[in-house]
Amino acid sequence: DQQVKQNSPSLSVQEGRISILNCDYTNSMFDYFLWYKKYPAEGPTFLISISSIKDKNEDGRFTVFLNKSAKHLSLHIVPSQPGDSAVYFCAASGYTGTASKLTFGTGTRLQVTL
Amino acid sequence: NAGVTQTPKFRVLKTGQSMTLLCAQDMNHEYMYWYRQDPGMGLRLIHYSVGEGTTAKGEVPDGYNVSRLKKQNFLLGLESAAPSQTSVYFCASSSSGGPNNEQFFGPGTRLTVL
Repeated sequence: DQQVKQNSPSLSVQEGRISILNCDYTNSMFDYFLWYKKYPAEGPTFLISISSIKDKNEDGRFTVFLNKSAKHLSLHIVPSQPGDSAVYFCAASGYTGTASKLTFGTGTRLQVTL
Repeated sequence: NAGVTQTPKFRVLKTGQSMTLLCAQDMNHEYMYWYRQDPGMGLRLIHYSVGEGTTAKGEVPDGYNVSRLKKQNFLLGLESAAPSQTSVYFCASSSSGGPNNEQFFGPGTRLTVL
């Protein structure tokens, strides 16, 4: 039972255009959502996050939107650059009593073409 | 400042063999985590630790043991490896266990069990 879903395994976007990566979740108890970026042969690195009490968070070219009623979030990258080509993981944070644990989606591979 | 390092980077085991994966962090983080990543699946939490001398089970703990004898190290052990444990293993650390706590990941260990 996947609580965090990324239904698009891959996405190809032209350089300079907008990239939109989507993520859906089922557990309404998640209180924070994070995006991680992963290059081949490296570990994931944190990109941007959003609290469940907000609907938008922006950091430079990256913006995350949260629609709580739809249990949906999206990551927008504008403008897309070749260096953005990577796998992007959506993660949801939920408190367990000792720590907040992350539940990851399956990832979307973004390719930014010239 | 090396961040999170993992040893070894690659390993091939035969069914039934044992091994220990080492994770080290130099950021003085309290929390440490072990994940596995399999094709078509997101990162899944195996075990985690909220401080030196503590360990707790994650989502997929069966077949693994962990120890956190020193704050900077988190060891993941496979007592009797099985082909189902073929995966890429990531270690991560964070300064606290809050919902927006960024986790820093190591580069991963690719393990194959024949």
